[in-house]
Amino acid sequence: KQEVTQIPAALSVPEGENLVLNCSFTDSAIYNLQWFRQDPGKGLTSLLLIQSSQREQTSGRLNASLDKSSGRSTLYIAASQPGDSATYLCAVSDAGGTSYGKLTFGQGTILTVHP
Amino acid sequence: GAGVSQTPSNKVTEKGKYVELRCDPISGHTALYWYRQSLGQGPEFLIYFQGTGAADDSGLPNDRFFAVRPEGSVSTLKIQRTERGDSAVYLCASSWRGTQKAFFGQGTRLTVV
Repeated sequence: KQEVTQIPAALSVPEGENLVLNCSFTDSAIYNLQWFRQDPGKGLTSLLLIQSSQREQTSGRLNASLDKSSGRSTLYIAASQPGDSATYLCAVSDAGGTSYGKLTFGQGTILTVHP
Repeated sequence: GAGVSQTPSNKVTEKGKYVELRCDPISGHTALYWYRQSLGQGPEFLIYFQGTGAADDSGLPNDRFFAVRPEGSVSTLKIQRTERGDSAVYLCASSWRGTQKAFFGQGTRLTVV
């Protein structure tokens, strides 16, 4: 059974810092990995999707890397801003079977960026 | 609309009652998923539809939970004899062909009192 772990559980940084969020998964047979953002009381917004054959994806100040063989991904946020404060969730889609797209989520990292 | 729509946004019900939660996916998306999120946790998979059929319902916790998608578009999650432990945010997501980027709705917050 796939298990996803995110470290740290919470992170508080001053505005302007570069930061790294970590995600690990136990079964390397995945289709893809996604990073999501969730604001309090809201749904999830997909930030980046990395296919299993890719090593990284970038969008603006966000960069996500994937090392499938070691079961790890990192989300790098450059020049953090107070508006980045949210919960960040990592999720993997397992390969095989019929559940294409079924996601297994980590518990999330609560990020607070203070002015 | 352009996104995934879930109704109601909030639902308070008494223990033992029956509830229905509705999801309108993005038009043209063939894959639809239901997840449940408890406070402080990541979402947990409940059921996956590809078209009209439930391709994977392994996440449904017990036989009080049931979901349908009769015409391959709108889906309804049905919970019978609700229990206080069913209180959570129920999230719906859709994607094209099930392996691409997932788009989530805002969720329905269910509170069983």
